[in-house]
Amino acid sequence: AQSVTQLDSHVSVSEGTPVLLRCNYSSSYSPSLFWYVQHPNKGLQLLLKYTSAATLVKGINGFEAEFKKSETSFHLTKPSAHMSDAAEYFCVVSDPGYGGSQGNLIFGKGTKLSVKP
Amino acid sequence: GAVVSQHPSRVICKSGTSVKIECRSLDFQATTMFWYRQFPKKSLMLMATSNEGSKATYEQGVEKDKFLINHASLTLSTLTVTSAHPEDSSFYICSANRVSGQPQHFGDGTRLSIL
Repeated sequence: AQSVTQLDSHVSVSEGTPVLLRCNYSSSYSPSLFWYVQHPNKGLQLLLKYTSAATLVKGINGFEAEFKKSETSFHLTKPSAHMSDAAEYFCVVSDPGYGGSQGNLIFGKGTKLSVKP
Repeated sequence: GAVVSQHPSRVICKSGTSVKIECRSLDFQATTMFWYRQFPKKSLMLMATSNEGSKATYEQGVEKDKFLINHASLTLSTLTVTSAHPEDSSFYICSANRVSGQPQHFGDGTRLSIL
């Protein structure tokens, strides 16, 4: 069965410092992995996706993530945090062997990112 | 880019009322839409997969008669919370694929509060 574990429920950084949001996954197949961001009372916005192409994936707003199969990890990073990055971040796996083309997604529990001035 | 519109954004109503939430794909046709529920400070839980022209597929533990889903056209799916009670209060989010297997695009969610 697939699962996603976000190792930190809350991360706090200072503006201008690097961001690291950790995610580990478990999947029986070659998964597709995503990071979504959710601002308060809003839906989810796709930051980036991994679909078996390059292992280092660049997304919007300066975020990137590296797929490491040996570590079953897909950590999200950003070199320099901005105040507007404060939000909830979800690591998500879509397993083609589960739900097929329906695109069923398995969500991590989320990491709340706080950015201090 | 693809846009999914969800309406209303917020609903406050009395216990026993039925509430309808709409999810529209604005610039693409979506044969499949998804309905999620998000509890406070929690992750998203898939409730059901809405299929255009056929019955929705509900996840285990989700009451079909409580949460009615209709996908009448390629751009519209509706979720009706019937005879809502305070425990149904939650944040409901829909999503859709522009292309099957591609990342889902999410609506902005509906905050449902039952008094």
